[in-house]
Amino acid sequence: DSGVTQTPKHLITATGQRVTLRCSPRSGDLSVYWYQQSLDQGLQFLIHYYNGEERAKGNILERFSAQQFPDLHSELNLSSLELGDSALYFCASSVASGNEKLFFGSGTQLSVL
Amino acid sequence: AQTVTQSQPEMSVQEAETVTLSCTYDTSESNYYLFWYKQPPSRQMILVIRQEAYKQQNATENRFSVNFQKAAKSFSLKISDSQLGDTAMYFCAFMKDSNYQLIWGAGTKLIIKP
Repeated sequence: DSGVTQTPKHLITATGQRVTLRCSPRSGDLSVYWYQQSLDQGLQFLIHYYNGEERAKGNILERFSAQQFPDLHSELNLSSLELGDSALYFCASSVASGNEKLFFGSGTQLSVL
Repeated sequence: AQTVTQSQPEMSVQEAETVTLSCTYDTSESNYYLFWYKQPPSRQMILVIRQEAYKQQNATENRFSVNFQKAAKSFSLKISDSQLGDTAMYFCAFMKDSNYQLIWGAGTKLIIKP
């Protein structure tokens, strides 16, 4: 168990809908990262938050947004969902914002039908 | 832009054998980090080993070791005395020193046969 909690584990929804994925980092970790793993594009970095502030953006679509709350949990919001958004979405956390080891949650499997 | 290439889509070996997974990367950076992650069927992403580019000494973690060749931009993973529990997808990943985003290879599916 990495100590990073992601909910829900599975999510099935329809095109055009909006969903929210939740991540609770390890106790004491200030950084949260979101990654997408899809069959087409492999693993891609989406976004990084550190202590409530956005630090870096990767290949995140404009239909996607994220935030980190004062209690350090993070949410990834996906809207106007398309079939191609079906993927495994990982959250990872680390103590600070450097090159420490990342600890990954078990992911949320999103299926858009 | 940085890229990571894993040229072996799938490998299989017998239990207790030694296996080496290949990874090459492309970067113009001088300071960076390299990682091997394991993703078993449970889908959990687990860090196997980490190498800092400025360190010449190859990293080791129990049965896992790397052969880091900076000039050749090569970062292979050696698994000794392989075990059934090593069956998983293995991903090589790159992180620039000033930018904490992992850039991933496509993965190698490793099957350990009894």
